[in-house]
This record gives sequence, structure tokens and C-alpha cells, in this order.
Amino acid sequence: GIQVEQSPPDLILQEGANSTLRCNFSDSVNNLQWFHQNPWGQLINLFYIPSGTKQNGRLSATTVATERYSLLYISSSQTTDSGVYFCAHNNAGNMLTFGGGTRLMVKP
Amino acid sequence: IAGITQAPTSQILAAGRRMTLRCTQDMRHNAMYWYRQDLGLGLRLIHYSNTAGTTGKGEVPDGYSVSRANTDDFPLTLASAVPSQTSVYFCASRQGLNTEAFFGQGTRLTVV
Repeated sequence: GIQVEQSPPDLILQEGANSTLRCNFSDSVNNLQWFHQNPWGQLINLFYIPSGTKQNGRLSATTVATERYSLLYISSSQTTDSGVYFCAHNNAGNMLTFGGGTRLMVKP
Repeated sequence: IAGITQAPTSQILAAGRRMTLRCTQDMRHNAMYWYRQDLGLGLRLIHYSNTAGTTGKGEVPDGYSVSRANTDDFPLTLASAVPSQTSVYFCASRQGLNTEAFFGQGTRLTVV
């Protein structure tokens, strides 16, 4: 099946810094989502972005399916951005499959 | 508020006992899913249902069963719980295979 690699696995930022999280895929993807799992364990939908670019406040995402990657940008990070960020896509069986996640800690 | 509701929120269960985790959605989504998330790891698919009346096995189905008698409900049953099934369980739904998925708040299960 399609392999999903997220990078970096861990990231520590000072509040106010910007960051880019990446998902690489072993094959082209036709469906992609970004989620934030907050420190309480809730999975929060950030973007449904099979292709193109979307922005929501300080967050934006870009997916280039034909080049097998998606990026999540976090600008002016805040402590509330801490948690784990997952990308997920449809595998060959059309099941939503998750990457390993990027664990982000934003320090005040 | 529309969405996905899981119950219970948490449970401590003796090994060997039977347990059913409940999941209900009110968005009339066709597809529903059960995932488990172990400490420090990503989510792994247990079972899925693309439409009411059908189910399928995911990546880690052993020890679990599901049913989909109607559109709204997708219960997950552990017939005889074992400690390795200690995990956080998430239910999800989406309208179709290429649409946005939404997750419940999770059930934290500890098997002792």
C-alpha cells in the first residue's frame, strides 16, 4: 500500500515562530486530510485538501498530489498549537490511513 | 450538535470480559470506521463499513467484531478482552470514500 512519511517526527518551537510540517507519499494520493490531536487526545479536523492550497487563520496547507507531498504551515505559533499533527489519505483500498505524526511542542 | 458520539468515554475492563464500544453519528454518513491508537503511535484501522449492512476488516481486526444494522450506529465488540487491547479507540465517519472524515472523542479502554 501507499506509505506515508511525516517529518519531522518531533518539533520544538518558541512561541511566535513559524514551521512547516511535511507528508510524503510513496504514490500519488486522491484524498488527504490534516488533523491536530490536542493534548487531551481530541482529533480536530484542520484541512481536507486533496489538492491545491487552503488557509484558515494562521494555518495553511498545500497538497501536490502528482509530486506526492503535502505541507502544513503554522505561522506565529502559539502554545495552544502543541500536540500531534497527522496527515491521512486513502490507501489503495480506499481506507483512510494515517501517517506516524509530528509531535509539536510550542514553548512560551 | 451534529457529530459522532462514542460511549463510554473510558472503561477499565477485566481480561476475558466482553465489551461493546458504542458509536453513533447523526450526519447520515455512509462510511464508518473504528481505529485504535496505542501510546506514542498513529491510528490503525480495525474495521470499517462503507454502507449500512456491510463491514470489512482493516489493518488490525483480530479480537474485534463490528455490525452495521443501520446508518447511524457502528458498535465495536471485544468478545474476550486481553491486555493488549488496552488502547484509545476512535470512531469516524464520512459521507463517501473521497470526502472529509470526522472523528468521535475517543474511548480510553484499559484491560487488566
